[in-house]
Amino acid sequence: DIQMTQSPSSLSASVGDRVFITCRASQSITSCLNWYQQKPGKAPQLLIYAVSLLQSGAPSRFSGSGSGPDFTLTISSLQREDFATYYCQQTCRIPTTFGQGTKLELK
Amino acid sequence: QLQVQESGPGLVRPSETLSLTCTVSGGPLNSSRYYWAWIRQPPGEGLEWIGSIYYSGSTYYNPSLKSRVTVSRDTSKNQFSLNLDSVTAADTAVYYCAAGAFSFGVSGYFEYFQHWGQGTLVTAAS
Repeated sequence: DIQMTQSPSSLSASVGDRVFITCRASQSITSCLNWYQQKPGKAPQLLIYAVSLLQSGAPSRFSGSGSGPDFTLTISSLQREDFATYYCQQTCRIPTTFGQGTKLELK
Repeated sequence: QLQVQESGPGLVRPSETLSLTCTVSGGPLNSSRYYWAWIRQPPGEGLEWIGSIYYSGSTYYNPSLKSRVTVSRDTSKNQFSLNLDSVTAADTAVYYCAAGAFSFGVSGYFEYFQHWGQGTLVTAAS
């Protein structure tokens, strides 16, 4: 299986900060990398697919970049509603696998 | 807007079969625009893909669960289902169903889970 490793595992930040979350794949993958946001007690929501394509309805302050094996989710200016856990996912190989999550907390 | 919703028992006895159903609304289950998946999340942990079923009827499973999992569909009811045999406490989790979508671009072919159910907690305990 392809292991996805996110860093950091947790992050404290303030409203208005620019935040970077990284995801590294254990094997070579191309552009089949997605990002999800999950709030407590809720289902994950798709933010970014195919590395950098913004899901319809997702705020434009979210962006994705990178190429295998390293990928980055950037939040340009944190809003209060962005404090959540973020997961990357690779869909290049079966089984699709997720990173362990990055919990973004209010400083 | 496509929606999916899980249903099924919240408690399953060890060694028995976990059975969940996902009802699709806002679109047909046999649409070629989507595939259908089950994902689970143990309490306080990350996400694990269980299996998927495609328009063609083809199914794919996580090798870690493959010997115990069956994903099936009933197009007449617009539902797809999960059966997980011989459950143990380690199968306690929130189970999500999801609609996966496809995208084709210059860089290739991409899949992603576009629509998720709210999730249902299943506890394996006696």
